[in-house]
Amino acid sequence: NAGVTQTPKFQVLKTGQSMTLQCAQDMNHNSMYWYRQDPGMGLRLIYYSASEGTTDKGEVPNGYNVSRLNKREFSLRLESAAPSQTSVYFCASSEDGPITDTQYFGPGTRLTVL
Amino acid sequence: QQQVKQSPQSLIVQKGGISIINCAYENTAFDYFPWYQQFPGKGPALLIAIRPDVSEKKEGRFTISFNKSAKQFSLHIMDSQPGDSATYFCAARLIQGAQKLVFGQGTRLTINP
Repeated sequence: NAGVTQTPKFQVLKTGQSMTLQCAQDMNHNSMYWYRQDPGMGLRLIYYSASEGTTDKGEVPNGYNVSRLNKREFSLRLESAAPSQTSVYFCASSEDGPITDTQYFGPGTRLTVL
Repeated sequence: QQQVKQSPQSLIVQKGGISIINCAYENTAFDYFPWYQQFPGKGPALLIAIRPDVSEKKEGRFTISFNKSAKQFSLHIMDSQPGDSATYFCAARLIQGAQKLVFGQGTRLTINP
């Protein structure tokens, strides 16, 4: 099992450019998440998807859109990148249920917006 | 009210010592409190977790202490080793809805040999 995979690993954009971050999981999990990590601010939830076909806003959704393409894939799109979106982006997935609480994270995408 | 406050921001401990990281929360709707460990260039990974019906959970050298009345929980790393050097995040999960986690700000732990 590859777990959670993310592409690309690194990306540099100019202000105003757009891009899509890709995420896939092979653990048959229902829930998937996108976080951003900034120094001193921990991990902040951007969007999440509790099941295929559903998405909901997290703590910091402005400037982002998401697509839950199928059960395996959850993409994050920046339509018009801004320097404030320079960050490390993590995708995660988890099973549902009262016992299985673990979120599994991908390796991250380091994004720089100039 | 959905915040989790973590301290210290950075911590340096000598090899063999005890590392202690603290977290506090306000929202009583949290029902699950995990700690994640992150090595440089990697994604976070679950280290240990506790539910509020117990006051302590131990797994090897790692222990979570939970004080429900004070709304505080802490991670203790006994006999700290250089391989424990990493960033640690506490988190809390809301009872309702998807398994949304609210993370603390993170603690960069360095264990000196």
